[in-house]
Amino acid sequence: AQKVTQAQTEISVVEKEDVTLDCVYETRDTTYYLFWYKQPPSGELVFLIRRNSFDEQNEISGRYSWNFQKSTSSFNFTITASQVVDSAVYFCALSEAKAAGNKLTFGGGTRVLVKP
Amino acid sequence: NAGVMQNPRHLVRRRGQEARLRCSPMKGHSHVYWYRQLPEEGLKFMVYLQKENIIDESGMPKERFSAEFPKEGPSILRIQQVVRGDSAAYFCASSPPPAGTRREQYFGPGTRLTVT
Repeated sequence: AQKVTQAQTEISVVEKEDVTLDCVYETRDTTYYLFWYKQPPSGELVFLIRRNSFDEQNEISGRYSWNFQKSTSSFNFTITASQVVDSAVYFCALSEAKAAGNKLTFGGGTRVLVKP
Repeated sequence: NAGVMQNPRHLVRRRGQEARLRCSPMKGHSHVYWYRQLPEEGLKFMVYLQKENIIDESGMPKERFSAEFPKEGPSILRIQQVVRGDSAAYFCASSPPPAGTRREQYFGPGTRLTVT
């Protein structure tokens, strides 16, 4: 069965510091998809990124970057030069290709608090 | 292009009453997912539906919960005889038919159910 673990429950940083969120996953499927979602205090879920298991290239989008390491089953997320608006709960999620549809298995989330 | 719509945004029910949560997927999306987020927890998959079909209901509680996605109209998550433990945020997500690497789900703003 699939599983996603986000070991850090809460991280507090001062503005402009970098912050890295860890995500470790378990799956028996050889083809799978990994996601990060952001949940700001307003409560909605915002899609950030999807990574396919067969594409191990790391990705950078503005201040966000993602490090996918298949060998360690990790998909970590770094926010560079954090800002107060980055304060949110961040969820890592996994979807297996063999599953019917795109059912997502979420980690428990990491709450990021960026202080001015 | 409107996003996923959920209503009501907030719902208060007394123990024993019924709760009906509605979800209108994004235009062009024929697949709907329901997730539940209990206080201070991550999101848990409940059910996956296509028009007029329940594809995967492995995350649905065995009793009191049901879901439908009729040919016309929104998807409905129905909770009968609510109990305090049903208090949670219920999120709906939609996606186009999974094809290739196209796997993103887009989430609605959620319905926050409070059972008094």
